Amino acid sequence: GDSVIQMQGQVTLSENDFLFINCTYSTTGYPTLFWYVQYSGEGPQLLLQVTTANNKGSSRGFEATYDKGTTSFHLQKTSVQEIDSAVYYCAMRVSGSFNKLTFGAGTRLAVCP
Amino acid sequence: EAAVTQSPRNKVTVTGGNVTLSCRQTNSHNYMYWYRQDTGHGLRLIHYSYGAGNLQIGDVPDGYKATRTTQEDFFLLLELASPSQTSLYFCASSEGGRYAEQFFGPGTRLTVL
Repeated sequence: GDSVIQMQGQVTLSENDFLFINCTYSTTGYPTLFWYVQYSGEGPQLLLQVTTANNKGSSRGFEATYDKGTTSFHLQKTSVQEIDSAVYYCAMRVSGSFNKLTFGAGTRLAVCP
Repeated sequence: EAAVTQSPRNKVTVTGGNVTLSCRQTNSHNYMYWYRQDTGHGLRLIHYSYGAGNLQIGDVPDGYKATRTTQEDFFLLLELASPSQTSLYFCASSEGGRYAEQFFGPGTRLTVL
């Protein structure tokens, strides 16, 4: 079946550090890839989506890239701030799946001032 | 902007108890979803629906029933609650389409003693 693997459970950085989170996916279908962010006490919200047309997406200083060859997609930010502390989820939708999303396990980012 | 509300926000019940979690969305979305969130597993899809009276089985449906009574309302039913169902439950809604964003509610924390 479809799956998304997100190995980094916890990442701790200092302000202005570089952030890189990696996900890999597996599907026999045609995927669309997303990153969601969840702040403390809230539900997840869409951060950005990665279009396979240009293999990239960007929002709020975050950038996502997609590599079809290695079936992986990454989230990165050049300089994180304390307000970026949250849980980040990668997610995949497969064409013909009734809009169903498959999520990774999540990466908890803690940014220290 | 989509509004998704959930009730109750917190619920404590005993093993074997009967629980109903409610979700309402006011943005006329056709698709609604129920997820559970557990540490190490991320968000896992329980049931979803693409319209009133429709129900689709998700990835972790055992022990759960769901009903979509109107376009706005989606209910999750636990008829014989077990401690393994202690979790944070999220409802979400979306339009159709490959890039459609899912809008999440604030969550319901359920504890089964």
